[in-house]
Amino acid sequence: QKEVEQNSGPLSVPEGAIASLNCTYSDRGSQSFFWYRQYSGKSPELIMFIYSNGDKEDGRFTAQLNKASQYVSLLIRDSQPSDSATYLCAVTEANDYKLSFGAGTTVTVRA
Amino acid sequence: DAGITQSPRHKVTETGTPVTLRCHQTENHRYMYWYRQDPGHGLRLIHYSYGVKDTDKGEVSDGYSVSRSKTEDFLLTLESATSSQTSVYFCAISETADTQYFGPGTRLTVL
Repeated sequence: QKEVEQNSGPLSVPEGAIASLNCTYSDRGSQSFFWYRQYSGKSPELIMFIYSNGDKEDGRFTAQLNKASQYVSLLIRDSQPSDSATYLCAVTEANDYKLSFGAGTTVTVRA
Repeated sequence: DAGITQSPRHKVTETGTPVTLRCHQTENHRYMYWYRQDPGHGLRLIHYSYGVKDTDKGEVSDGYSVSRSKTEDFLLTLESATSSQTSVYFCAISETADTQYFGPGTRLTVL
């Protein structure tokens, strides 16, 4: 059973600041890493995935992966009130269709 | 949203009654999943399917069964509902082995 841990929230950041979310995982065989955003009362939506060590940028979002430290993070730059949501980290092994999710970190961006 | 619908969206039932939740997709994706989401636990996989009539158990499958007789439909059945099965249930689909898209969810209350 893979364990995925996320930093406990809630995380409150001012508008325009950087929100930093962290996730660690227990299974060294994990190969694929995902960040989902979930607004209150809604379903999760995929915002980023990363497979290789290093950084991956998509607009205001940057995912960072360090497999040696079993650590993946998500940075949200220039945070907006619309970024207020719960962010879920998920991992899977190569070609495995079963995702293991962390409990999520709730982010609140205050105007 | 990807073409995923879930029915019903809300259901209240009594302990001991059977309940069936339906997931319907119009994307012709091969893989389908059922998750439950509870506070503090994130998303946990109940059952998944990798093709018509091909299903397997996830991490919290006790008390649940599934069926997939057509590519587009994946049914989750609670044979005899218990209060511990009160939760929000999400269906997800994917075409590749790992990137999943979620349906709108079903909120189930077992009294």
